[in-house]
Amino acid sequence: QVQLVQSGAEVKKPGSSVKVSCKASGGTFSNFNVSWVRQAPGQGLEWMGRIIPIVGIPNYAQKFQGRVAITADRSTSTVYMELSSLRSEDTAVYYCARHPAGAFEYWGQGTLVTVSS
Amino acid sequence: DIVMTQSPDSLAVSLGERATINCKSSQSVLYSAKNTDYLAWYQQKPGQPPKLLISWASTRESGVPDRFSGSGSGTDFTLTISSLQAEDVAVYYCQQYYSTYSFGQGTRLEIK
Repeated sequence: QVQLVQSGAEVKKPGSSVKVSCKASGGTFSNFNVSWVRQAPGQGLEWMGRIIPIVGIPNYAQKFQGRVAITADRSTSTVYMELSSLRSEDTAVYYCARHPAGAFEYWGQGTLVTVSS
Repeated sequence: DIVMTQSPDSLAVSLGERATINCKSSQSVLYSAKNTDYLAWYQQKPGQPPKLLISWASTRESGVPDRFSGSGSGTDFTLTISSLQAEDVAVYYCQQYYSTYSFGQGTRLEIK
């Protein structure tokens, strides 16, 4: 059974960066997409970007271009999402999700990132 | 970018009654070469990640009760719950994966 386990909650200052990890177990890791989706408090789902670990080249939503970096470490089956220049509007739960070319089959438990001075 | 718009934003239905949620995409998500719609539905309960219910517009995931069904093609889609159960109270999202990925704003389903 595929499991995605994310790193713990973070509190960050405006202007700083945060790096969230997503470790996969069970099933194949490298051949699937891993996307990051965020959800602000009481709001909907917003896709940020993805990577296929075996390829290693990420794609980002235009909104986050230049501010997000998604990387993969195949040796540990872990994908990372780093968001920089944080502002209060980035306060959200960040999810990773593993998927083939289609819908998002498996999700991590979510990581709350709070941006506050 | 493809914009997904759901209606209604919230919905209250009596137990045992039918619930219908609509989703419209700003452009077609039908991949003609495969005659397949790149559209999924998710259920999200408080404090949990979304759960995939339906992919390819109408294919129910393993373990999803058969009271959930998806229909539609092109730009207009519907999620139907044939007989609402208490455990179906949640927020439902549609998603297109035809061109990168985008989600609808969500529909909150409650018991009347």
